[in-house]
Amino acid sequence: EDQVTQSPEALRLQEGESSSLNCSYTVSGLRGLFWYRQDPGKGPEFLFTLYSAGEEKEKERLKATLTKKESFLHITAPKPEDSATYLCAVQVEYKLSFGAGTTVTVRA
Amino acid sequence: DGGITQSPKYLFRKEGQNVTLSCEQNLNHDAMYWYRQDPGQGLRLIYYSQIVNDFQKGDIAEGYSVSREKKESFPLTVTSAQKNPTAFYLCASSQGDRNTGELFFGEGSRLTVL
Repeated sequence: EDQVTQSPEALRLQEGESSSLNCSYTVSGLRGLFWYRQDPGKGPEFLFTLYSAGEEKEKERLKATLTKKESFLHITAPKPEDSATYLCAVQVEYKLSFGAGTTVTVRA
Repeated sequence: DGGITQSPKYLFRKEGQNVTLSCEQNLNHDAMYWYRQDPGQGLRLIYYSQIVNDFQKGDIAEGYSVSREKKESFPLTVTSAQKNPTAFYLCASSQGDRNTGELFFGEGSRLTVL
């Protein structure tokens, strides 16, 4: 069975304190790994797609990387507006399997 | 602006009642999806449709039904057979094919069973 595990479940940071979120997966036939941001009471918002090991994508203070077994989302010098739940998902065939998410809180 | 519109945002249901959640998109996307989100769990796929008049069961389809009569619309009915329907329901769409994983989500509908 395909599995996606995110850690930690929650992360509290001071403004400017860089950190990383982990997404590990056990799937066969990975077609892509995706990161989403979700604000409370809202639908997720697409951030990145990664297709192959070694690939990296960046957007503002966020950088996503991919290895054969896991992906990291690095948050550099976070600001309070980066507070959200970050979800990762893996695609196998036409379906996505989502992790439970990491809730990030950035204090000013 | 293009996007996905879900309604209602909040819905209360008595046990034994069927309810229908609306999902409309004007992105001209072929594929549409329904997910359920519960606290501490990842999004779980209920149903998906890759083309009009065709849809497939996801991982947790029991107690739910859908239709896809128009490209823009993909309503979800939560039936009385669904044992634990209280949850946050998310509709999404994608261009399909290689871009299947890049989903556009609606704002969600929160269903509470009284």
